[in-house]
Amino acid sequence: DVKVTQSSRYLVKRTGEKVFLECVQDMDHENMFWYRQDPGLGLRLIYFSYDVKMKEKGDIPEGYSVSREKKERFSLILESASTNQTSMYLCASSLPGGSTEAFFGQGTRLTVV
Amino acid sequence: AQTVTQSQPEMSVQEAETVTLSCTYDTSENNYYLFWYKQPPSRQMILVIRQEAYKQQNATENRFSVNFQKAAKSFSLKISDSQLGDTAMYFCAFMKHRTSYGKLTFGQGTILTVHP
Repeated sequence: DVKVTQSSRYLVKRTGEKVFLECVQDMDHENMFWYRQDPGLGLRLIYFSYDVKMKEKGDIPEGYSVSREKKERFSLILESASTNQTSMYLCASSLPGGSTEAFFGQGTRLTVV
Repeated sequence: AQTVTQSQPEMSVQEAETVTLSCTYDTSENNYYLFWYKQPPSRQMILVIRQEAYKQQNATENRFSVNFQKAAKSFSLKISDSQLGDTAMYFCAFMKHRTSYGKLTFGQGTILTVHP
C-alpha cells in the first residue's frame, strides 16, 4: 500500500512558537505538497517541491517555509506561529507528469493558542 | 489563474438513490485534468475519478461517473446507488496539463450525507 505519513494528527502550539510539521512518503515520488484546508475555502497550496532541495511557493506561502533534504521527507515550518495559522494541514505526493494521482496523508489539525 | 467553484456546501441523499454534485471552473488553458477527491470522516483523501480535458468521453468508475461539459466549464459528479460509505466531503480539483508539477486547485468542497 502506498503511504504518506504525517507525524501528528493533532497539535497544539503557543503563539510565537516555531512549529515543524513532518511528512514522509514511501512511494519514491518526486513531487510533494503542503496544503492548508479551511471550512468554506477548500484546500489551498502553501508550498510544493518537485525534487530534493527544490521548493516553490504556492498560493499562500506567507508565514511558512519548507525543507526537503531527502526525497521521501518534506517538512513545513511555521517560523512564528500565529492564531490565524490554526487549520488542518495536508501533505501529498505524486509522480511527475500530468493526470497523476496525488496521495494524501491523514492531515495534522494544528491549533495555535 | 484557475478557479474552481462548488456551489453546494451540503447535500444529502437516501441510500440507493442517485445524487449529483456540481463543479464549475474557470481557466484559459485548453489541456488540463479534472478530478474528484473524497475525504471521509477519517480525513484520508482518496481519488474518486479523473477526466482528461481532451477526451470527450465522460469518465466512469463503477458507481461514479462525471458529466464533463468543456465549453460550459462544468464537471459534475454523479453517484449512483448511494451507499452509507459514500458519506464524505467531496472536492473537485483542477490541474494544468503542462509545467504544473502536479499542483491542484481545489473547490470549496461539498459535504455529502447518505441516509439509511
